[in-house]
Amino acid sequence: DAGVIQSPRHEVTEMGQEVTLRCKPISGHNSLFWYRQTMMRGLELLIYFNNNVPIDDSGMPEDRFSAKMPNASFSTLKIQPSEPRDSAVYFCASSDISRTGELFFGEGSRLTVL
Amino acid sequence: AQKITQTQPGMFVQEKEAVTLDCTYDTSDPSYGLFWYKQPSSGEMIFLIYQGSYDQQNATEGRYSLNFQKARKSANLVISASQLGDSAMYFCAMREFNNAGNMLTFGGGTRLMVKP
Repeated sequence: DAGVIQSPRHEVTEMGQEVTLRCKPISGHNSLFWYRQTMMRGLELLIYFNNNVPIDDSGMPEDRFSAKMPNASFSTLKIQPSEPRDSAVYFCASSDISRTGELFFGEGSRLTVL
Repeated sequence: AQKITQTQPGMFVQEKEAVTLDCTYDTSDPSYGLFWYKQPSSGEMIFLIYQGSYDQQNATEGRYSLNFQKARKSANLVISASQLGDSAMYFCAMREFNNAGNMLTFGGGTRLMVKP
């Protein structure tokens, strides 16, 4: 079975540019999560969806960040405009809410904003 | 207050020896689950083991076991017979089934280094 698929794996962009990160969760999973990992702040939950509906976006840093889940098999995290402090690894994860809630992570998208 | 605390930023262990990674948690939810993840230098997050708050026995998964002490709110990970490939970051996480939906809260992690 395919795991969580994220793209791009690496992104280097200049300050002010728009960045879009993509995620395909595991088929059948009904929860999707976006985490950000940095050395300073560790793993931070940005937003999560249950059945495509955003449940908690309190971790989204500011209005420059937005996330969508138009259907059960696709989600995007957009940063517009990007800033150097957004540089981090962004993980997407999915889980089956009816079970223990174990998260299955994608390989992450490493973002560098110059 | 921190929900998940991992007090050991880094640890060394000799190959083939056992090592315990500490994790304490804070919750008022009687129904919760505790997870451990491994993150090697390649960056992926690998699920290791799960313990439910109502589970009577400590979880085990191969060389991994979870020393669950509910009254002390601790869920330490024990790795037996350490291998060089165990060198990685290890994260403890908690899901509160009643209070926080389906989200997992992670601790700050412990970097384990296995010496040959």
